[in-house]
Amino acid sequence: EPEVTQTPSHQVTQMGQEVILRCVPISNHLYFYWYRQILGQKVEFLVSFYNNEISEKSEIFDDQFSVERPDGSNFTLKIRSTKLEDSAMYFCASSDLQGNQPQHFGDGTRLSIL
Amino acid sequence: EDQVTQSPEALRLQEGESSSLNCSYTVSGLRGLFWYRQDPGKGPEFLFTLYSAGEEKEKERLKATLTKKESFLHITAPKPEDSATYLCAVRLNYGGSQGNLIFGKGTKLSVKP
Repeated sequence: EPEVTQTPSHQVTQMGQEVILRCVPISNHLYFYWYRQILGQKVEFLVSFYNNEISEKSEIFDDQFSVERPDGSNFTLKIRSTKLEDSAMYFCASSDLQGNQPQHFGDGTRLSIL
Repeated sequence: EDQVTQSPEALRLQEGESSSLNCSYTVSGLRGLFWYRQDPGKGPEFLFTLYSAGEEKEKERLKATLTKKESFLHITAPKPEDSATYLCAVRLNYGGSQGNLIFGKGTKLSVKP
């Protein structure tokens, strides 16, 4: 069964450094999402992406965040200058259509900021 | 404010002991309600989508139902392998939303043999 894959599974970074999280969505999907889950808290929406542009973003997704689809298969989340509070699990998701189509999630990248 | 609340936070069952998990939502326009299963260290795994009040979906020992205010995930004769955190999420139908999900905190289910 097709799946969303994320790399790395765990990333440890010094505060203030840039980090790039990578995702390979399911191949025929058109809509892409990033969510994060701080330990013990809810899964929270960050950003959605369609047709090579951001379609929606949350208040969390401020100027230090950016997303890109550099080629036909990868979808990346960049955090420019990491803060301690950016420590969380980051999940990538994709869906083939809008509306009520389910989003399929990867297993996440655990980001630890020191 | 749009809210999704799940109860209980944790549930311990004996193998074979049926029960229900609750997801109540306060949103102005519901486009769909989704149930996911999350195992430790893994991403949410899709289970069901419910679109309108009165709808029911079933998969093995799980059955999801939807009313105008809440959804239930019924677990019949659970097995230890059903142990996981069950997440409820809603997708809104207004405000220019492009499909992002609003999640509840989840119910952590433990099934003992």
